[in-house]
Amino acid sequence: EPEVTQTPSHQVTQMGQEVILRCVPISNHLYFYWYRQILGQKVEFLVSFYNNEISEKSEIFDDQFSVERPDGSNFTLKIRSTKLEDSAMYFCASSVGGVDQPQHFGDGTRLSIL
Amino acid sequence: GENVEQHPSTLSVQEGDSAVIKCTYSDSASNYFPWYKQELGKRPQLIIDIRSNVGEKKDQRIAVTLNKTAKHFSLHITETQPEDSAVYFCAANQAGTALIFGKGTTLSVSS
Repeated sequence: EPEVTQTPSHQVTQMGQEVILRCVPISNHLYFYWYRQILGQKVEFLVSFYNNEISEKSEIFDDQFSVERPDGSNFTLKIRSTKLEDSAMYFCASSVGGVDQPQHFGDGTRLSIL
Repeated sequence: GENVEQHPSTLSVQEGDSAVIKCTYSDSASNYFPWYKQELGKRPQLIIDIRSNVGEKKDQRIAVTLNKTAKHFSLHITETQPEDSAVYFCAANQAGTALIFGKGTTLSVSS
């Protein structure tokens, strides 16, 4: 069964540094998402992406965040000037369609900001 | 925006018993309600979903019911097994594709 893959599985970064989290969505999926989960808390929506542009974003997704589809397979989340509170598990997800379509999650990247 | 409340936060049952988790949502425009199971340190895994044009959906031991008027939906697991132990999250879509999650229910099934 095809899966969403994410790299790296764990990223440790100094506060103030930039990080790029990478995702390869399921190949025939057209909608891509980033979510985050602070340890022990609920999953929170960050952004959705379709047709090479952001379709929705949450209040969390401020100017320090950006997303990109640099080629036909990768989908990236960049966090500029990381803060301690950015420490969380970041999940990428993808779906075939948009509204009311199942979203399949990757294994996540654990981001630790020191 | 959408707000999803989930209860209970923890649930302990004996193997073979049924478990019920309930969620309420605030946005009447929401039309898609998935349930995810998350084992410790792993990805949220979609286990069942329901759309607003359906009142109930079943998949083996798992069922979900939706009451649009009351804006609540529930997950029912029958004949629980130890491997059902996990955190379960409900979610609702917010005006499009964004999923808004509940805070999760930690289900413990003891044998």
